[in-house]
Amino acid sequence: NAGVTQTPKFRVLKTGQSMTLLCAQDMNHEYMYWYRQDPGMGLRLIHYSVGEGTTAKGEVPDGYNVSRLKKQNFLLGLESAAPSQTSVYFCASSYSSSGGIRDTQYFGPGTRLTVL
Amino acid sequence: RKEVEQDPGPFNVPEGATVAFNCTYSNSASQSFFWYRQDCRKEPKLLMSVYSSGNEDGRFTAQLNRASQYISLLIRDSKLSDSATYLCVVRNYGGSQGNLIFGKGTKLSVKP
Repeated sequence: NAGVTQTPKFRVLKTGQSMTLLCAQDMNHEYMYWYRQDPGMGLRLIHYSVGEGTTAKGEVPDGYNVSRLKKQNFLLGLESAAPSQTSVYFCASSYSSSGGIRDTQYFGPGTRLTVL
Repeated sequence: RKEVEQDPGPFNVPEGATVAFNCTYSNSASQSFFWYRQDCRKEPKLLMSVYSSGNEDGRFTAQLNRASQYISLLIRDSKLSDSATYLCVVRNYGGSQGNLIFGKGTKLSVKP
């Protein structure tokens, strides 16, 4: 049981390049999330998904797109990377969000992205 | 005002010390409360949920005061392995589903 995995672990991009971050979970969780973490800012929600084929915007969605074509995968895309998107990106998943222990979010190890 | 505010830290304590972290939240409709732990350059992991009556897990005690919108975490008999950043987290149901609001975290360093 790998839990939540993220690919890649590190990446350096030039301004204007595009890339896709992959998140995979093997816990059969319905809910998946993408966060970014910046020094002094805490974790902020970018986009989330409440099930296969659904996505919704979080607190800081601009400049990102997501897709959830399969239940176990949640992709985060940067179409035209900017230096402001330099950050650590965490994916998380949970069984539900209706209250109780099943709400617990399990995080992946993170992707460290630098945009030059 | 930030939705979740924590002691700025860092807290530098000797092994065996008792240390307390405080957190306030601004949304009175917040319904679930947690403490997460994040080790340096690692992902956050759930330390414990915080219940209205207060709860304890070994050396860790969490308290919630809904009237004051205040959450605390007490660590007794600190160990070197407790060194980490502790994140206060609240969840607001309704609206943006699955929305966890994270504090910026308080860094704890336990010294020998």
